[in-house]
Amino acid sequence: GAGVSQSPSNKVTEKGKDVELRCDPISGHTALYWYRQSLGQGLEFLIYFQGNSAPDKSGLPSDRFSAERTGGSVSTLTIQRTQQEDSAVYLCASSWGGSDTQYFGPGTRLTVL
Amino acid sequence: GENVEQHPSTLSVQEGDSAVIKCTYSDSASNYFPWYKQELGKRPQLIIDIRSNVGEKKDQRIAVTLNKTAKHFSLHITETQPEDSAVYFCAAPRERTSGSARQLTFGSGTQLTVLP
Repeated sequence: GAGVSQSPSNKVTEKGKDVELRCDPISGHTALYWYRQSLGQGLEFLIYFQGNSAPDKSGLPSDRFSAERTGGSVSTLTIQRTQQEDSAVYLCASSWGGSDTQYFGPGTRLTVL
Repeated sequence: GENVEQHPSTLSVQEGDSAVIKCTYSDSASNYFPWYKQELGKRPQLIIDIRSNVGEKKDQRIAVTLNKTAKHFSLHITETQPEDSAVYFCAAPRERTSGSARQLTFGSGTQLTVLP
């Protein structure tokens, strides 16, 4: 079946603009995760959803970051007033609610000029 | 747990030799330890995982060992091949997680290069 998909694959924006990144999880996966991967770095946890709710938002780096999930499926990560330090690859993953295995999407490469 | 340290950051081996990557964690309650492989420009993919009720798990040329007392776990790749070249990440459950889904803290990654 189809894996996790993300769009856009690449996004170039100007400093101060808002961006929206989209994640389509594997059908039926109730848990959805957002990570950020800076160049040559590991995966930084941002937020996760169980269904449509996000029990833990402590990983979001600032109040410019927000995320939502509707219908227990698609999720959108929004970054307002982007800064150059927001440049990174944003990865989404999903899993069955009670499963440990996370399946990753291809990521969105965000470049803030 | 929340603090996962991974070493080395880079590793070069000759084809056919073995490679070992180590990770330490801080939360003694952690009970699940996956390893992910990320090839250049591609998404991370789970290659093997281990739970705290066993000390070792093997899958062909890949094995993972866990030492709960010392709070460290290692990835072992034997008979390395050029296609093993990638970045490898270890992970452990985040501390203070809420909800039923498994949240992970990842190590900083190891760039493995297998020289032909």
